[in-house]
Amino acid sequence: AQRVTQPEKLLSVFKGAPVELKCNYSYSGSPELFWYVQYSRQRLQLLLRHISRESIKGFTADLNKGETSFHLKKPFAQEEDSAMYYCAHEGSGTYKYIFGTGTRLKVLA
Amino acid sequence: SQTIHQWPATLVQPVGSPLSLECTVEGTSNPNLYWYRQAAGRGLQLLFYSVGIGQISSEVPQNLSASRPQDRQFILSSKKLLLSDSGFYLCAWSRGQGRRETQYFGPGTRLLVL
Repeated sequence: AQRVTQPEKLLSVFKGAPVELKCNYSYSGSPELFWYVQYSRQRLQLLLRHISRESIKGFTADLNKGETSFHLKKPFAQEEDSAMYYCAHEGSGTYKYIFGTGTRLKVLA
Repeated sequence: SQTIHQWPATLVQPVGSPLSLECTVEGTSNPNLYWYRQAAGRGLQLLFYSVGIGQISSEVPQNLSASRPQDRQFILSSKKLLLSDSGFYLCAWSRGQGRRETQYFGPGTRLLVL
């Protein structure tokens, strides 16, 4: 079955420290992967997606097909990065999307 | 620009009562529409999705149903609510006619069944 795994429910880092939110997927073929973020009292929204290869708010994510991973990274965490982060990919041959269970990032002052 | 609305924002209902949550999208045509339940520790659980009027795909057998009476309207319903239906329900849309599209989420409805 297609699955997205985010092993950490909670990740706490200090301001200025590097952060890496892990995401592993099971998908045969070339998936399109997404990272969504939900800040406190805000809507869930797209942070970045693999095909865009952008850096958004200092975050990047690289698709590693060998390890089937799409980890989200930022070299220097900021307090405003505290949020809930979800990794997702589209379901093979369907219009649905598979989400991970999410990782709550807390950036400590 | 496109916008997505959900209402009500919060709902408290007794067990056994019916449910109707509404989601509407503006500024686009033929969107794909989705209902999710968001629960702590369980992430986003896809409940239903629709690629067109009257076309509903159910992902999880449960006490809920969905309907799409108009192109940009998606309704989540139940005839008799259970305590376990309590949760945060999110509606989302993505551009139709293509896969691998970004999803855009509504503000959500918090449902408490007592």
